[in-house]
Amino acid sequence: DTEVTQTPKHLVMGMTNKKSLKCEQHMGHRAMYWYKQKAKKPPELMFVYSYEKLSINESVPSRFSPECPNSSLLNLHLHALQPEDSALYLCASSQGIAGGEETQYFGPGTRLLVL
Amino acid sequence: RKEVEQDPGPFNVPEGATVAFNCTYSNSASQSFFWYRQDCRKEPKLLMSVYSSGNEDGRFTAQLNRASQYISLLIRDSKLSDSATYLCVVNIPGGGNKLTFGTGTQLKVEL
Repeated sequence: DTEVTQTPKHLVMGMTNKKSLKCEQHMGHRAMYWYKQKAKKPPELMFVYSYEKLSINESVPSRFSPECPNSSLLNLHLHALQPEDSALYLCASSQGIAGGEETQYFGPGTRLLVL
Repeated sequence: RKEVEQDPGPFNVPEGATVAFNCTYSNSASQSFFWYRQDCRKEPKLLMSVYSSGNEDGRFTAQLNRASQYISLLIRDSKLSDSATYLCVVNIPGGGNKLTFGTGTQLKVEL
């Protein structure tokens, strides 16, 4: 079972709203990722968590705040977003981050529209 | 130079055709290589990892040439369901399992 789930599937929010995206995996993976994908572009890495600790932040604006409550869950808290933040937000997981463990499996994504 | 370069296509091919995609990467220290497919408005799905010895999975064959920093994907007997964007993906050395994605090659298989 290589399933990563994400909720909600779609989200519309105003620039003053606070919302959260959720990601869950039950594969025992110890690394989880957030990506942002704009139309007709490849995914861009935002954050990497390894063993529930933030290991990479790709200089993402502070209006995006990740959280890893436990090894199966990954959240992305959104606050004061801009219309240009509208995109598909993808969560991924892998066994680990070392060689041989690094294959990443993606969830279906949350399609976000900021008005 | 882009870290991972792919021909964006589209490649329009008839059903049953053989089609090949190529990809080049710039960081000679990269160790892990993948092909993902992405359908319109869906998430990327792993198609196959790419190994130095080359690997085959049914109608799909991937090859890696480290000396030329070149990766290929061959699809034989293409099906309508193969229509998608194929993403060449390479790890960025230095820890953290960062991947860099090519811009993708669009394939359209037609009757």
